[in-house]
Amino acid sequence: DAGVTQSPTHLIKTRGQQVTLRCSPKSGHDTVSWYQQALGQGPQFIFQYYEEEERQRGNFPDRFSGHQFPNYSSELNVNALLLGDSALYLCASGWAVNTEAFFGQGTRLTVV
Amino acid sequence: SQQGEEDPQALSIQEGENATMNCSYKTSINNLQWYRQNSGRGLVHLILIRSNEREKHSGRLRVTLDTSKKSSSLLITASRAADTASYFCALAYTGANSKLTFGKGITLSVRP
Repeated sequence: DAGVTQSPTHLIKTRGQQVTLRCSPKSGHDTVSWYQQALGQGPQFIFQYYEEEERQRGNFPDRFSGHQFPNYSSELNVNALLLGDSALYLCASGWAVNTEAFFGQGTRLTVV
Repeated sequence: SQQGEEDPQALSIQEGENATMNCSYKTSINNLQWYRQNSGRGLVHLILIRSNEREKHSGRLRVTLDTSKKSSSLLITASRAADTASYFCALAYTGANSKLTFGKGITLSVRP
């Protein structure tokens, strides 16, 4: 049984560009959350998707948007990239009624 | 801030010794979780303790929760070099569903 998978593993983008990150949840999970982790910091909650809708959102600007598909996979989109968006982006899946989260290996985004 | 505060920030011990890490918080929680992260990659869930529980065990891990003091401790017994990692305390608040609020983490080094 595959765990949470994220793609790509690494990504380099230029300031002002747009990026899409992808996540496939662990089999049986229906909730996907995205986190941003800057170097030396703990993960910060971006948003959570359940039943294809954004259920919760952290303190991130509208440049960060997402989507969940009928098969529960999810995308994170970031527009107008800033140098400060450089971070490890983590996807976590779980069950709607359970708060235990299973994390993917992350996507390392570098904005130059 | 609603994030937990971990203590110490860094810990270096000899293989075979016990490692104790602490997490304090300010607002009542639904549950508290500990995660491990190796080399800036994905987080691995270690243990979850609910607000009505005082102690839980999982292998070499022991977690305690004191809701009156709003604090938790993670004890790793008989540490191994492979335990070298960053450890994070994550808080789940009542009514916040699956959202997790992470602290800044503790860097544990276990010397062979």
